[in-house]
Amino acid sequence: NAGVTQTPKFQVLKTGQSMTLQCAQDMNHNSMYWYRQDPGMGLRLIYYSASEGTTDKGEVPNGYNVSRLNKREFSLRLESAAPSQTSVYFCASHPGMNTEAFFGQGTRLTVV
Amino acid sequence: QKEVEQNSGPLSVPEGAIASLNCTYSDRGSQSFFWYRQYSGKSPELIMFIYSNGDKEDGRFTAQLNKASQYVSLLIRDSQPSDSATYLCAVNGGFQKLVFGTGTRLLVSP
Repeated sequence: NAGVTQTPKFQVLKTGQSMTLQCAQDMNHNSMYWYRQDPGMGLRLIYYSASEGTTDKGEVPNGYNVSRLNKREFSLRLESAAPSQTSVYFCASHPGMNTEAFFGQGTRLTVV
Repeated sequence: QKEVEQNSGPLSVPEGAIASLNCTYSDRGSQSFFWYRQYSGKSPELIMFIYSNGDKEDGRFTAQLNKASQYVSLLIRDSQPSDSATYLCAVNGGFQKLVFGTGTRLLVSP
């Protein structure tokens, strides 16, 4: 049982490069989320998808785009990476309101 | 005003004491509330969730919710050094939006 799988685990980008972070869940959850975590900042919501076919902005969406490809997959794209996007990125999925959200293992992204 | 607020700490308690962690939220329509624990370099893991006013106990942990005051807390009884971690409060408001606070760092000294 894989749960929530994020790829890659580590990535170094140069300023201006683009990349896509992949996330897949095998638990048939409706809702999926992307967060970034910086020291002392907790988890800040970038984008979320309450159900297949819908996406909404969170607290810090600027510089990111997302795609809910199907119920399993929710990808996060950085079109032109900036050093301010250096962070740990977590994907999560959530079956419903009063239940636990499950997290992937995180992606450590460094933009130089 | 942030949607979910926590004191960043660190909160230092001696082994065996009660640790009290607090969280306030701004959206009165929020319906469910979560406490996650995160060790350094790891993913958050759920401790417990609560959605009704009052207390909910699970082993050494008790979550308390007061919707009128928009306040949720976590008590850890008989704190152990292994409880040293960052504790994240999360709130699920409308439309499945799950928002986290900045976390409180707990240090339990032997």
